[in-house]
Amino acid sequence: GQNIDQPTEMTATEGAIVQINCTYQTSGFNGLFWYQQHAGEAPTFLSYNVLDGLEEKGRFSSFLSRSKGYSYLLLKELQMKDSASYLCAVRDQSDSWGKLQFGAGTQVVVTP
Amino acid sequence: DSGVTQTPKHLITATGQRVTLRCSPRSGDLSVYWYQQSLDQGLQFLIQYYNGEERAKGNILERFSAQQFPDLHSELNLSSLELGDSALYFCASSGSEETQYFGPGTRLLVL
Repeated sequence: GQNIDQPTEMTATEGAIVQINCTYQTSGFNGLFWYQQHAGEAPTFLSYNVLDGLEEKGRFSSFLSRSKGYSYLLLKELQMKDSASYLCAVRDQSDSWGKLQFGAGTQVVVTP
Repeated sequence: DSGVTQTPKHLITATGQRVTLRCSPRSGDLSVYWYQQSLDQGLQFLIQYYNGEERAKGNILERFSAQQFPDLHSELNLSSLELGDSALYFCASSGSEETQYFGPGTRLLVL
């Protein structure tokens, strides 16, 4: 099985940077995903990491360290619309069919 | 728009009843996943189908069942509904790249 931990809530100011950490324990890691979810809406895919290092996509970047069981999502130049829940999800190697285990999500509140 | 569609958007029913939720995956995707998200809860994986066959099961109750049809659409059947079944139910699909794309969800309210 997998244990996925991420902070419950983070608050930051518009224009600032926020880093959301995610730690996981898995018997066989096979990829980590980040999703954004606005209240009452569907999760939308942000990023995917399977190898160590940083993946950058515009204002969003995601980092992975497999040896530490650790990832972070970095949100730069925060905008009010970035207020949402951010979900870390891990795929286990033992599940070749792609099932994901989701963390409880980190609620990011962007203030003016 | 992810390309995944779900119907209905909202559903209100009574305890003890049975409902069917429908999902159409993105064009070309063979895998369909069902998730439940209760108020203030994370996404709980229920079940996965691949090209018509069940591939993985999560925390799905025996009162719940699902299937995937030859045209790849999927249905989630919830029976003997209880108040605690009130939740958002999401369907997701994936193709060869294995990233899951989520539909807009069905909001179920059991009264």
